[in-house]
Amino acid sequence: RKEVEQDPGPFNVPEGATVAFNCTYSNSASQSFFWYRQDCRKEPKLLMSVYSSGNEDGRFTAQLNRASQYISLLIRDSKLSDSATYLCVASGYSTLTFGKGTMLLVSP
Amino acid sequence: DTAVSQTPKYLVTQMGNDKSIKCEQNLGHDTMYWYKQDSKKFLKIMFSYNNKELIINETVPNRFSPKSPDKAHLNLHINSLELGDSAVYFCASSQEVSNSPLHFGNGTRLTVT
Repeated sequence: RKEVEQDPGPFNVPEGATVAFNCTYSNSASQSFFWYRQDCRKEPKLLMSVYSSGNEDGRFTAQLNRASQYISLLIRDSKLSDSATYLCVASGYSTLTFGKGTMLLVSP
Repeated sequence: DTAVSQTPKYLVTQMGNDKSIKCEQNLGHDTMYWYKQDSKKFLKIMFSYNNKELIINETVPNRFSPKSPDKAHLNLHINSLELGDSAVYFCASSQEVSNSPLHFGNGTRLTVT
């Protein structure tokens, strides 16, 4: 079983739409979780950490379900600039493990 | 100031050559990493160093040798390059092992011909 799994997409949404991504992780001992954003031909950049109680940063909301071992990212009022690949990350035994990413394409 | 910088940004070389990629971070982090992102965009850990000590060495051919002269630098040397080594290599750093977010360099795009 892959350690961190994501739907690769692409998710095609119009501007202003709400879109949600889910991610599952296999290591029940994982303690830290993050969402990263990666633009084409660029490095991954931290979007937000994911806390047990759920957290929000502007249009972005992240949630963690430890019982089911999944993490979600909700993007409200999508902008063209949100088009990117979103990487789900879970802490492993001695490093962070990345999912393969979900591609989001926001169209006018 | 760039937090994690790696050079070169692009590297084109022939099979069989030896090349190095350099990485430096000015964040004061204790841990540095090398990740490989292949054509399928999968980002996979290769090595991790904590205070100059190797703590992760994934299943990577021994043609790849990391070197950490101090905790702010982690270089990657690759011997006898093969076509399959073509990928983007990212250096990263974090404050702690495992639970802290990573800060990535802007990547080195290696093309082996």
